[in-house]
Amino acid sequence: NAGVTQTPKFQVLKTGQSMTLQCAQDMNHNSMYWYRQDPGMGLRLIYYSASEGTTDKGEVPNGYNVSRLNKREFSLRLESAAPSQTSVYFCASSEVEKLFFGSGTQLSVL
Amino acid sequence: AQTVTQSQPEMSVQEAETVTLSCTYDTSESNYYLFWYKQPPSRQMILVIRQEAYKQQNATENRFSVNFQKAAKSFSLKISDSQLGDTAMYFCAFRTSFGNEKLTFGTGTRLTIIP
Repeated sequence: NAGVTQTPKFQVLKTGQSMTLQCAQDMNHNSMYWYRQDPGMGLRLIYYSASEGTTDKGEVPNGYNVSRLNKREFSLRLESAAPSQTSVYFCASSEVEKLFFGSGTQLSVL
Repeated sequence: AQTVTQSQPEMSVQEAETVTLSCTYDTSESNYYLFWYKQPPSRQMILVIRQEAYKQQNATENRFSVNFQKAAKSFSLKISDSQLGDTAMYFCAFRTSFGNEKLTFGTGTRLTIIP
């Protein structure tokens, strides 16, 4: 079982560049999430999707967009990257109350 | 809005000793779930233990147990017979039972097990 797969694992961007973080799960979960992790801040929710075709803002949505392409895939897009978006990004999916996380993407914006 | 507070940014303990990590939370809900997640240097998020608020009995998973005090809104994690592999960041997290499924995390405690 692959579980939750995120790509890429590492990325370096220049300020103003755009990119999309990909996430896919093979557990047939309805709910999917994007979190960012910063030192001393814990994990903060960016966006989540309760089901295919729906998305909602989390705690820190500014500067991001998401797409729930189908039940398996939930992508996160940075349209114009800023240094403040340097972080580790985690995708997750949930079965009832348990979250399953991907291995994370280390993103640096210079 | 719910908040989760972990007041110990870092802790260290000798191997084989017992250590307790603290977590408090604030909510007006009566039904909810609480979790402890472990994040080792590999960055993987691993569910350690979970507790349903309506259950009075404290959850246990092998060497890991919790002290859940609902009235005090406290949810501490006890690790017994600590091992080097327990070295990690530990996050406390909260989720309501109904409605949205968002998980709210604390800021984490970095635990180091000393050989």
